[in-house]
Amino acid sequence: GAGVSQSPSNKVTEKGKDVELRCDPISGHTALYWYRQSLGQGLEFLIYFQGNSAPDKSGLPSDRFSAERTGGSVSTLTIQRTQQEDSAVYLCASSPIPQNTGELFFGEGSRLTVL
Amino acid sequence: GNSVTQMEGPVTLSEEAFLTINCTYTATGYPSLFWYVQYPGEGLQLLLKATKADDKGSNKGFEATYRKETTSFHLEKGSVQVSDSAVYFCALSGRGSARQLTFGSGTQLTVLP
Repeated sequence: GAGVSQSPSNKVTEKGKDVELRCDPISGHTALYWYRQSLGQGLEFLIYFQGNSAPDKSGLPSDRFSAERTGGSVSTLTIQRTQQEDSAVYLCASSPIPQNTGELFFGEGSRLTVL
Repeated sequence: GNSVTQMEGPVTLSEEAFLTINCTYTATGYPSLFWYVQYPGEGLQLLLKATKADDKGSNKGFEATYRKETTSFHLEKGSVQVSDSAVYFCALSGRGSARQLTFGSGTQLTVLP
C-alpha cells in the first residue's frame, strides 16, 4: 500500500490475555519503529528494527513486550499477560534508511484497551 | 539523554489569530528538529523540519526556526484556520544510527470559527 498499515485499529481485551499488533510498513522502507502513545502523554519509543534485526530494544517496558519482523517487512508487537496500564495507542512508523533524514512515516495506530 | 519540553495545551484560538507553540530541547551534539501534526482520526505526519542551527522550516503557513543558543524550535503561524485544529508534536532526532525520534507531550490546538 501507499502508507504504513496497522491492524487491528481497535482491540479490547481482558487483563491477562495476550495480544498481537501488526504493522505493514511502506514498501522499501528498511527501518521500522514502534511507539506507544498513552492518554495525555507524548510518544514513547519502544523498539527499532533495521531489516529483521532489532539493534535498539531499549524502550520495551517489560519482558511481557516483544516484537519481531520477518522478511524485512511486516512486524508484530506482542504483549503477553496484558495489564490495564498497557492501554494505549501503539504506533508503527517506517523510514527509508539509508536515505533517512529523521522523517518517520506513521500508521494510524492500534488502540488497545485492557479491561 | 535527549528530551523535548513542549508548551502544554490545550490551546483554543479564534480563526485568523496568531499561533505560537513553544518547544525547547535538550540534546547532545546537533540534533535535527521536527514538528509533527496529528489531525483527528489520522496518523502523525511531518509538518516541517530543520536540520541545523538557524535553519527555518516552513509548510502550510507554519514556520519554526532552529535556535541553538536558546535550544528552541517554536512553531508559529500568522493566521490559523479551523482546519489547523489538531495535536502538534515537537520532536528531535539524534545523530546515532537508529535516528529514533524523541517527542514532546503534544499540544492540542482547537481553532473556532
